[in-house]
Amino acid sequence: DTGVSQNPRHKITKRGQNVTFRCDPISEHNRLYWYRQTLGQGPEFLTYFQNEAQLEKSRLLSDRFSAERPKGSFSTLEIQRTEQGDSAMYLCASSSPFDNEQFFGPGTRLTVL
Amino acid sequence: EDKVVQSPLSLVVHEGDTVTLNCSYEVTNFRSLLWYKQEKKAPTFLFMLTSSGIEKKSGRLSSILDKKELSSILNITATQTGDSAIYLCATLIQGAQKLVFGQGTRLTINP
Repeated sequence: DTGVSQNPRHKITKRGQNVTFRCDPISEHNRLYWYRQTLGQGPEFLTYFQNEAQLEKSRLLSDRFSAERPKGSFSTLEIQRTEQGDSAMYLCASSSPFDNEQFFGPGTRLTVL
Repeated sequence: EDKVVQSPLSLVVHEGDTVTLNCSYEVTNFRSLLWYKQEKKAPTFLFMLTSSGIEKKSGRLSSILDKKELSSILNITATQTGDSAIYLCATLIQGAQKLVFGQGTRLTINP
């Protein structure tokens, strides 16, 4: 499978714990995006990388959230001191430098108890 | 603030019916409009529209953009139960790479 992959697919954690998600984009894609989707809503943009550079961050990305893409390939999204309001589906997408079509991964569903 | 609104939010029809889903947008520096289909997992790409008045087609699905009215429609003819999904509309803005999504339309096709 050469699509976008995300791990884990599901994560249940207790409030106050830290969690980290991983995204592996399509191999030739240099752009990588993180979105968050809650029930009944469309995805909301969190952050965007071009290669290893984080070029755009949403105001939704509080100081408890940090994203990295150290070698311009896979990316990680870490949430520190999780809150119940962080429960959502976290989607990763990637795109090539030649067009704007973003391909989405299957998502990581986070439940904070 | 950039905004995308979809209607209806929910639609239930019978197999074989034709449906029209609506998307309107208020964004600065519009670049493109995209439609995605989301079943129980990741959104899958359907269409990207940049030019007004040019219809994009793929099988029973088609979409058109009206830049004057700041809107787009997605048509599905001869619907099948496999068309049941959430349909998401999103805009891409000049100078930015993020997609701004609407809330989605939940389409249910009953046999």
